[in-house]
Amino acid sequence: AQKVTQAQTEISVVEKEDVTLDCVYETRDTTYYLFWYKQPPSGELVFLIRRNSFDEQNEISGRYSWNFQKSTSSFNFTITASQVVDSAVYFCALSERLTGGGNKLTFGTGTQLKVEL
Amino acid sequence: GAGVSQSPSNKVTEKGKDVELRCDPISGHTALYWYRQSLGQGLEFLIYFQGNSAPDKSGLPSDRFSAERTGGSVSTLTIQRTQQEDSAVYLCASSLDGRARTEAFFGQGTRLTVV
Repeated sequence: AQKVTQAQTEISVVEKEDVTLDCVYETRDTTYYLFWYKQPPSGELVFLIRRNSFDEQNEISGRYSWNFQKSTSSFNFTITASQVVDSAVYFCALSERLTGGGNKLTFGTGTQLKVEL
Repeated sequence: GAGVSQSPSNKVTEKGKDVELRCDPISGHTALYWYRQSLGQGLEFLIYFQGNSAPDKSGLPSDRFSAERTGGSVSTLTIQRTQQEDSAVYLCASSLDGRARTEAFFGQGTRLTVV
């Protein structure tokens, strides 16, 4: 079965520190997609990034960067120079094909990031 | 509106009552999903709609749960004879085409409390 593991339940950092959120996944599919979502206190899940299984190139977007390593089934997320506004729960997710067609997301349990002044 | 809209934002109901939760997806999105977020179970898939096709109900936890999508747009999730374990945040999402590579956009959820 598909599985996503986010071993870090909660991380606290001081503003301007760098922080890495870990994500490890299990899948039998050869083609799949991985996602990161941010859930601020308002509750809405906000899409951050998508990565397909054929593209192991790391990606950087401003202060955010992602390290995808297929050999270790990991898709880690780093925030550089963290800010208070980064405080949220971050979810890693894996696409999973549904029997009748279509896809769903299998989520990890999330990592609560707290950035303090 | 530009995003996925859910109503009500909060719902408190008595055990045994039926509840209906509503979702307005992003205009033009053919795929619609319901997920449930609870402390014990995390984020769980419930049901998937694609256009006018029959939905994938593989995530519904019991036959007390049902959902429909009218006209390929608005969706309603119904929970009959609510139980305390149904207390959770119910999240609706939509995506352009339901493909694995297409990101889903989520609403702010309906927090359901069964007392």
